[in-house]
Amino acid sequence: AQSVTQPDIHITVSEGASLELRCNYSYGATPYLFWYVQSPGQGLQLLLKYFSGDTLVQGIKGFEAEFKRSQSSFNLRKPSVHWSDAAEYFCAVGGTNTGNQFYFGTGTSLTVIP
Amino acid sequence: NAGVTQTPKFQVLKTGQSMTLQCAQDMNHEYMSWYRQDPGMGLRLIHYSVGAGITDQGEVPNGYNVSRSTTEDFPLRLLSAAPSQTSVYFCASSQNYWTNTEAFFGQGTRLTVV
Repeated sequence: AQSVTQPDIHITVSEGASLELRCNYSYGATPYLFWYVQSPGQGLQLLLKYFSGDTLVQGIKGFEAEFKRSQSSFNLRKPSVHWSDAAEYFCAVGGTNTGNQFYFGTGTSLTVIP
Repeated sequence: NAGVTQTPKFQVLKTGQSMTLQCAQDMNHEYMSWYRQDPGMGLRLIHYSVGAGITDQGEVPNGYNVSRSTTEDFPLRLLSAAPSQTSVYFCASSQNYWTNTEAFFGQGTRLTVV
């Protein structure tokens, strides 16, 4: 069965520090992988996606993620966090074996302290 | 450029009442879906549609009905509201499921069933 695990429920970082949010997936073939961000009271916005090709993908707002097939991971990174990055982050997986469905992780809440 | 529009933004229902959450997109997207978001559980798929006239169940379909009579609209109906359906509901659309495309989310409907 397909699933997504985000092991960190909540992360706190200082402004200017680097960030890594973890995402592990369970999927039987090459997955489609996504990271979304949700600001309070808002819908979800796509940060970046991986379908194929280069395993290091660049997204909006200075975020990047690396697909590691051997570790079934798709971790999100940012070199220097800004206070405006405080939000909820969701990893999602889809693909040809998921019956037209996307599966979301439970989310990681990011707090940025000055 | 409206994107995905959900109405209403907030709703309070009494147990046993019925209602319809509206979702409309103006991007001519084939794929539309409904999710519910609950604390600690991420987003769970309720129903989805890969095109007009075609709908299917997601992970948590019980208590909800959908229809897709047009490409633009994908309403979600609660037949007899229960307190367990208290949640935030998101509608999403994408060009289609199979190609390199992102999902666009509405702003959400916060539903409380008392």
